[in-house]
Amino acid sequence: AQTVTQSQPEMSVQEAETVTLSCTYDTSENNYYLFWYKQPPSRQMILVIRQEAYKQQNATENRFSVNFQKAAKSFSLKISDSQLGDTAMYFCALMDSNYQLIWGAGTKLIIKP
Amino acid sequence: DGGITQSPKYLFRKEGQNVTLSCEQNLNHDAMYWYRQDPGQGLRLIYYSQIVNDFQKGDIAEGYSVSREKKESFPLTVTSAQKNPTAFYLCASSGDREAGETQYFGPGTRLLVL
Repeated sequence: AQTVTQSQPEMSVQEAETVTLSCTYDTSENNYYLFWYKQPPSRQMILVIRQEAYKQQNATENRFSVNFQKAAKSFSLKISDSQLGDTAMYFCALMDSNYQLIWGAGTKLIIKP
Repeated sequence: DGGITQSPKYLFRKEGQNVTLSCEQNLNHDAMYWYRQDPGQGLRLIYYSQIVNDFQKGDIAEGYSVSREKKESFPLTVTSAQKNPTAFYLCASSGDREAGETQYFGPGTRLLVL
């Protein structure tokens, strides 16, 4: 069975600091996609970043980047220069061959002023 | 504006009542999804549809029903058989295989039982 594990239920950092959220997954497939979604207090689910497993280069989107270690099945999210608006739940998700998302339990990130 | 809309934002259900949550998208996406989120939890898949007039059960389909008569619309009915319907409901759509069928979400509907 495919699984996604987020081992950090909650994290907090000071504004402008860098923070890394952890995600590990298990799959027997060779081609797949990994996602990080953000859910702010408004509760809308917002795509942060996407990684294709067959691409070795780590994805980046402005202040957000990932460290994708395929052999270790690790997919961590790094947020640089954190801002108050980054306060949210962050979910890691794996897309299986049927295009279904397997979700982690989430990490609550608090950015302190 | 292209996007996914859900209505209503809040919905109250009386005991024994069926209620329907609306989800509309104008992204021309083929696939649509319904998820349930309980407080402090992740998302669980209720139903999904990959094409008009076809849909499949997800992990927690009992007590729910859907239809997909139009590409743009995927309404979810919470029936009286769902004994614990209080939750946040999210609709999503996807349609770009080259983007890994990335799912994009609507703003959600919060359902409360009176």
